[in-house]
Amino acid sequence: DVKVTQSSRYLVKRTGEKVFLECVQDMDHENMFWYRQDPGLGLRLIYFSYDVKMKEKGDIPEGYSVSREKKERFSLILESASTNQTSMYLCASSLSAGLVHEQYFGPGTRLTVT
Amino acid sequence: ELKVEQNPLFLSMQEGKNYTIYCNYSTTSDRLYWYRQDPGKSLESLFVLLSNGAVKQEGRLMASLDTKARLSTLHITAAVHDLSATYFCATTNAGNMLTFGGGTRLMVKP
Repeated sequence: DVKVTQSSRYLVKRTGEKVFLECVQDMDHENMFWYRQDPGLGLRLIYFSYDVKMKEKGDIPEGYSVSREKKERFSLILESASTNQTSMYLCASSLSAGLVHEQYFGPGTRLTVT
Repeated sequence: ELKVEQNPLFLSMQEGKNYTIYCNYSTTSDRLYWYRQDPGKSLESLFVLLSNGAVKQEGRLMASLDTKARLSTLHITAAVHDLSATYFCATTNAGNMLTFGGGTRLMVKP
């Protein structure tokens, strides 16, 4: 079974703080993703990585950066947290080869910025 | 730009009834994914549909894909309370990146 873990389930940070969200997958997947989920807006892709040190912007990258130094780990960084970044953050991973590209999701991190 | 629309966004139904959730997408795609999300939890994969006419069934849920109409349906048969959750469809026109619909929140009442 694919396992995707996220470093925190709940996080409370102050405006202006630097925030790190960590995601680890144990199935040697090439692709990793960060989404945010907000009521009424569904899931929106923030960043995507298809290999170590490789990244692509998703639909809403502003205010975020990412780091992928190792294949199994993908970090989302909020350089200076703002209240409009209060959200549920979901990490996912998938294989690159083949047709399926099914994404497997972590449990999510609910971030509150005060 | 790929857009994915689900309807309805909210569905309240009685146990034992049947209903269909619709997922329309705006550009050509031959793959469609359905996920389930329980409150406070992450997304769980339900179905992967990989070709026109694909149909998959699991228990009381059946998903189908019509790539020509750019439409997928998730049909619920004889709903039970345990099916209460939010259901998302997703597709792609760019390899590995998925675009998700807004979700359908299903509540099944006893």
